Amino acid sequence: GAVVSQHPSWVICKSGTSVKIECRSLDFQATTMFWYRQFPKQSLMLMATSNEGSKATYEQGVEKDKFLINHASLTLSTLTVTSAHPEDSSFYICSARRTSGSPYEQYFGPGTRLTVT
Amino acid sequence: GENVEQHPSTLSVQEGDSAVIKCTYSDSASNYFPWYKQELGKRPQLIIDIRSNVGEKKDQRIAVTLNKTAKHFSLHITETQPEDSAVYFCAADTGTASKLTFGTGTRLQVTL
Repeated sequence: GAVVSQHPSWVICKSGTSVKIECRSLDFQATTMFWYRQFPKQSLMLMATSNEGSKATYEQGVEKDKFLINHASLTLSTLTVTSAHPEDSSFYICSARRTSGSPYEQYFGPGTRLTVT
Repeated sequence: GENVEQHPSTLSVQEGDSAVIKCTYSDSASNYFPWYKQELGKRPQLIIDIRSNVGEKKDQRIAVTLNKTAKHFSLHITETQPEDSAVYFCAADTGTASKLTFGTGTRLQVTL
């Protein structure tokens, strides 16, 4: 149990276009979902925390108008990278925390590799 | 906010030897400390975690120790195997904000 999926697994887009990444909890309900970005050979950096039905909380330095997060249901959160630029190329990983069970454990998705050309 | 430091950044050990990775954290309110293993291009996998009311936890070849007073925790892997080669991340949950802050990672290489 506690499976999180992401779609797509990889995407290539042109500079200036927008890309949407989906994160789904497949077998549990997730009160909270998190979005991370990971550059090559670096750690995971939290971008934002989203709770179902409310606005996301962004970390300092993350542009909320550029990285749009929607947590429309207890099983789905989306991240839209708007007007993407080459410096947005990265590995984007979501995670989800269950509504019941451990209040701490996060279940990670497989990640989405974004390349902006 | 929370700050997590991790050492060493790279670690090479021979198969069968032990490996130790250390982390320190800054926020005394942190009360959950997971360790993740990440292979190239894959998601982080939780390998062990510990809560602040416990000083040590062991799961087969893997153990974690926590010193709340000194604000540091360590991952111990015994009898290392080539398949242990990966990047390992420690993390701390900030409790009040309930989000994970990751360490910078340790690239472990187990050589034959």
